[in-house]
Amino acid sequence: EPEVTQTPSHQVTQMGQEVILRCVPISNHLYFYWYRQILGQKVEFLVSFYNNEISEKSEIFDDQFSVERPDGSNFTLKIRSTKLEDSAMYFCASGLAGGTDTQYFGPGTRLTVL
Amino acid sequence: RKEVEQDPGPFNVPEGATVAFNCTYSNSASQSFFWYRQDCRKEPKLLMSVYSSGNEDGRFTAQLNRASQYISLLIRDSKLSDSATYLCVVRPAGSARQLTFGSGTQLTVLP
Repeated sequence: EPEVTQTPSHQVTQMGQEVILRCVPISNHLYFYWYRQILGQKVEFLVSFYNNEISEKSEIFDDQFSVERPDGSNFTLKIRSTKLEDSAMYFCASGLAGGTDTQYFGPGTRLTVL
Repeated sequence: RKEVEQDPGPFNVPEGATVAFNCTYSNSASQSFFWYRQDCRKEPKLLMSVYSSGNEDGRFTAQLNRASQYISLLIRDSKLSDSATYLCVVRPAGSARQLTFGSGTQLTVLP
């Protein structure tokens, strides 16, 4: 069964450093998403991406965040200058185009900012 | 009022029991409804979509009441492997595709 993959599984960084989280969505999916989950809290939407542009973003997704689909398979989330409060699990998800809006989640990257 | 509200539990039930989870959502124009399950420190996994007519998948039954803005999930004959956090998820009105998650209801099925 096709699945979303994410790398790395765990990233440790120093405050102020840039990080790039990588995702490979399911191959025939056209919608891509990033969510985050701070430990013990609910899953929160960050951004959705379709047709090579951001289609929606939340208040969390400020100027420190950016997304890119650099080639036909990868989808990345960059955090330019990490803060302690960016420590969380970051989930990538993808979905088909058309009427269905079911989203399939990757295993997540645990980001720890020291 | 929270956008998606769930009883956090925990629910501790014996194997074979029937357990029901409830969820309310605040936006009456919400478009799509789902139940996901999340195991500890893992990704959310789709359990089932929820349709207005109600739907069943094996031991799992989901109901939607749009008038009351209420979603339910019933698990019959619970198994040890059903132990997880169950997330009520809504796609709000006016949203292209973003999902809004509840905080989840924790279920532990005991032998």
